[in-house]
Amino acid sequence: GAVVSQHPSRVICKSGTSVKIECRSLDFQATTMFWYRQFPKQSLMLMATSNEGSKATYEQGVEKDKFLINHASLTLSTLTVTSAHPEDSSFYICSAKDVLAGTNEQFFGPGTRLTVL
Amino acid sequence: AQSVAQPEDQVNVAEGNPLTVKCTYSVSGNPYLFWYVQYPNRGLQFLLKYITGDNLVKGSYGFEAEFNKSQTSFHLKKPSALVSDSALYFCAVDTGFQKLVFGTGTRLLVSP
Repeated sequence: GAVVSQHPSRVICKSGTSVKIECRSLDFQATTMFWYRQFPKQSLMLMATSNEGSKATYEQGVEKDKFLINHASLTLSTLTVTSAHPEDSSFYICSAKDVLAGTNEQFFGPGTRLTVL
Repeated sequence: AQSVAQPEDQVNVAEGNPLTVKCTYSVSGNPYLFWYVQYPNRGLQFLLKYITGDNLVKGSYGFEAEFNKSQTSFHLKKPSALVSDSALYFCAVDTGFQKLVFGTGTRLLVSP
């Protein structure tokens, strides 16, 4: 089946630093990947849609300069949280669509827990 | 706007009993509906989906869901619950722009 990985699974950083999270589709090509944010005991909120070879599309209220997204290849998208602050602490989940499958199904990564001290 | 509602924050059921996790939707056009399960500190795992066809959809781990157009519902069901089914369940709708909108989630607790 389609597998999506995320790295790292956990990261703790100091306030003011930047953190990069990788999302990889391991056995399929994904022209579109999605980045979600999940607060404790809450639902997933879509942050942005990442398109290979073009700029990401951000949802309303998401700062594009703070959450930098790069989708340089068909199997890798990265989310960089710049100048992180404690309020950025959250669980970040990516998902990807299999281009060739032609379905609406998204395959989710295992998530990355970010803690900003 | 497309949306889904999960009216129950938590569902409690005894092991071996049937379970239902409710979901209602609001979409324009034909809905693409999904159920996902999330275990602690993990990403989402796909359970099942409705695109078209039979109203009763069978999915992973013995789960099924019934699409009811007149009631705009897509409730998740399982005939006999297991303790290991305890997790957080999300209903989602495809907005038609390749985005998923998730419900608020329902925590399922299955007691031994």
